[in-house]
Amino acid sequence: AQSVTQPDIHITVSEGASLELRCNYSYGATPYLFWYVQSPGQGLQLLLKYFSGDTLVQGIKGFEAEFKRSQSSFNLRKPSVHWSDAAEYFCAVGAPENAGNMLTFGGGTRLMVKP
Amino acid sequence: ETGVTQTPRHLVMGMTNKKSLKCEQHLGHNAMYWYKQSAKKPLELMFVYSLEERVENNSVPSRFSPECPNSSHLFLHLHTLQPEDSALYLCASSQPPGTGFNGYTFGSGTRLTVV
Repeated sequence: AQSVTQPDIHITVSEGASLELRCNYSYGATPYLFWYVQSPGQGLQLLLKYFSGDTLVQGIKGFEAEFKRSQSSFNLRKPSVHWSDAAEYFCAVGAPENAGNMLTFGGGTRLMVKP
Repeated sequence: ETGVTQTPRHLVMGMTNKKSLKCEQHLGHNAMYWYKQSAKKPLELMFVYSLEERVENNSVPSRFSPECPNSSHLFLHLHTLQPEDSALYLCASSQPPGTGFNGYTFGSGTRLTVV
């Protein structure tokens, strides 16, 4: 079965600084990979996804993520953080060989943005 | 408007009550999901319906009973819950695997408090 780890529970960055949120997965082949964002009291919104092909994927709100097979990672990045990016971020993995649509989520990383 | 609507947004119920959570999507998706989000725990997949048939039940206690009468509607019937069942219950929808699966669209969730 697949699993996913987000090593950082909380991260604080200053507005305008760059951001990298870490995600490591465990799966025997190339999984489906996702990043979602959740604002307080809301559901999860899809930021970006990776299924195959180019390992650098662009998403909404200026986010990007890079799939690195050798490191089993799918880290999320943004070059300049805005105060409105403060939220919780979830990495998720799906197993294509097992239908792929039953996603396993990481524990989340809460991002705080300092003015 | 995310395309997936959950009602009610908040629910307080006693341990002897019976209530139902409702989820509705108008995205043309044919797979629907219930996830439980508790404080300090990863999202837990509870139930999966694909083409209106249940395909996954992750050992969820019988006090939770799902119903999927058609591809647009999903219910979670609750009875004799415990305080530890207090959580945010999230509904999601997607295309099933093999038919253009593109990740989930989530609703805003129902915040359930069991007293």
